[in-house]
Amino acid sequence: DAKTTQPTSMDCAEGRAANLPCNHSTISGNEYVYWYRQIHSQGPQYIIHGLKNNETNEMASLIITEDRKSSTLILPHATLRDTAVYYCIYGAQTSYDKVIFGPGTSLSVIP
Amino acid sequence: SQTIHQWPATLVQPVGSPLSLECTVEGTSNPNLYWYRQAAGRGLQLLFYSVGIGQISSEVPQNLSASRPQDRQFILSSKKLLLSDSGFYLCAWASPSRGVINEQFFGPGTRLTVL
Repeated sequence: DAKTTQPTSMDCAEGRAANLPCNHSTISGNEYVYWYRQIHSQGPQYIIHGLKNNETNEMASLIITEDRKSSTLILPHATLRDTAVYYCIYGAQTSYDKVIFGPGTSLSVIP
Repeated sequence: SQTIHQWPATLVQPVGSPLSLECTVEGTSNPNLYWYRQAAGRGLQLLFYSVGIGQISSEVPQNLSASRPQDRQFILSSKKLLLSDSGFYLCAWASPSRGVINEQFFGPGTRLTVL
């Protein structure tokens, strides 16, 4: 069973920010939050990860709440190519036993 | 740069037949290697992982097996396929120096249909 909770699906207008939430209330102190996305019929693509500080890279921003029980992935200017399933997972960097991808959020970017 | 290859891209096999899926990685040494399966409309399930030649760990009991005969080669096999083995099989690699699930790179996948 997936240990994170994400909305099943979301829509976002092209050019607007897409905010994808994730609940991970059972996360431990040494576990990172990771986000991947999977475009239809392709392998997943790593997006970003973080421990407790907010993170930003060329693809997205990651906002982690102070209690670390939830996070939000932000795509600042969504494009049609961002239409994909987005997965939020967490685990320690050296732990194999908690690599569980849930069903994710299916994001549709609408023209 | 690093690249990961999987073949075949698609496969249709009868129930009870054997299976061999191959994954190779180029441009890196001693990678961590992973096999995942994705059933239709569901998330990814980690099947096997390997931290080195001949070292295989299984996450779930099943009729599948994995082998790593060379540093950058990972093979998924079955002696007799079941209908429930149908799915999208993904191989991934990660640099061991950067942790386990940090930034895995996935291959293009093999879509297996068992009839």
